[in-house]
Amino acid sequence: DSGVTQTPKHLITATGQRVTLRCSPRSGDLSVYWYQQSLDQGLQFLIQYYNGEERAKGNILERFSAQQFPDLHSELNLSSLELGDSALYFCASSVGGSYNSPIHFGNGTRLTVT
Amino acid sequence: GENVEQHPSTLSVQEGDSAVIKCTYSDSASNYFPWYKQELGKRPQLIIDIRSNVGEKKDQRIAVTLNKTAKHFSLHITETQPEDSAVYFCAASKSGGYQKVTFGTGTKLQVIP
Repeated sequence: DSGVTQTPKHLITATGQRVTLRCSPRSGDLSVYWYQQSLDQGLQFLIQYYNGEERAKGNILERFSAQQFPDLHSELNLSSLELGDSALYFCASSVGGSYNSPIHFGNGTRLTVT
Repeated sequence: GENVEQHPSTLSVQEGDSAVIKCTYSDSASNYFPWYKQELGKRPQLIIDIRSNVGEKKDQRIAVTLNKTAKHFSLHITETQPEDSAVYFCAASKSGGYQKVTFGTGTKLQVIP
């Protein structure tokens, strides 16, 4: 167990809908990262937060948004869902800040859009 | 920004042989290089990492080497076993205000029994 908790594990929804994925980082970690992994693809970086502030943005669609709350948990909101959004969404966390530390991944949320 | 290239994209080896995966990075300020193993349908898991003040690190059958001058680092797996079959990702990270991490595109390793 990495200590990074993601809920739900599975999500099945229809096109056009909106969903929220939740992530609790490891205790003590201030940085949260979100990645999208489509079938047989690599890790597509979406967005990073550090201590509540957005720090880096990757190839995140305008239909997607995220935030990190004061208690450091994070949510990824996906709206106007399309079939192509079906993927495994990983949250990861690290201590972050001015120190390089290992990045630990959660078990992911598998999103299926029908 | 940082760019990490990883080769090869797929690798097949016979059980017991060695496997080598190579990565190059572009930002000379990167100073931490972790490697992850991802089994099918599971999360990437950290298997070994190396910091820029070290040239080589070993952990049983896996080792990582770093050449800062050439800006490349490699993962070596010796005496491969079927359970080593997975996708391996390299990453380059630098600190300074907050940690910035860039992943490679992954290498699918197949160990043939």
